[in-house]
Amino acid sequence: DAKTTQPTSMDCAEGRAANLPCNHSTISGNEYVYWYRQIHSQGPQYIIHGLKNNETNEMASLIITEDRKSSTLILPHATLRDTAVYYCIVREGLGSGTYKYIFGTGTRLKVLA
Amino acid sequence: GAGVSQSPRYKVAKRGQDVALRCDPISGHVSLFWYQQALGQGPEFLTYFQNEAQLDKSGLPSDRFFAERPEGSVSTLKIQRTQQEDSAVYLCASSPPEWRGKGFFGPGTRLTVL
Repeated sequence: DAKTTQPTSMDCAEGRAANLPCNHSTISGNEYVYWYRQIHSQGPQYIIHGLKNNETNEMASLIITEDRKSSTLILPHATLRDTAVYYCIVREGLGSGTYKYIFGTGTRLKVLA
Repeated sequence: GAGVSQSPRYKVAKRGQDVALRCDPISGHVSLFWYQQALGQGPEFLTYFQNEAQLDKSGLPSDRFFAERPEGSVSTLKIQRTQQEDSAVYLCASSPPEWRGKGFFGPGTRLTVL
């Protein structure tokens, strides 16, 4: 399994950018990096994913290093509602054209007023 | 509804009791996943369906756990003779045929075994 490591927790001031790092040094060439977040008492919510190019959507930006061994999720203007556990995931192929996600323990982000 | 729904949202069972947890995926979603999430931990993969076929059940912790999706839509996760260590949130996720990483998760069922 391609594993990911993330800091256990981070704080960020409201309105500032939150930069969440992730290491995935064993990622293989065709594996995508996914980010999900889980707000208390809810199911995980998809944020963004990428292969090797940087990606941006309405929620966040994803910066992947050239060697693909690490990535950073950027929330450009964190709000209190962004307080959640953020999971960096490398998906594992099931050999049938689909995949499963191996979650780690994630980073608990607390946005401070 | 537009999302994945799960029922019940909360279930309390006495040790030894059988329970059944239901997942209604998004209509048209081919893939369906079950995950178990213990308190303070990330979700752990249990099993995966593609339509009605259970293609991977490697994460089921014991033969007391059984999942089915007989018509390729609604799925049920059954736990027989529940134990205290089965207490967790059980999450269901579904994804469309053009799977590109956007798995949609339900709110989960919180199971407490006394």
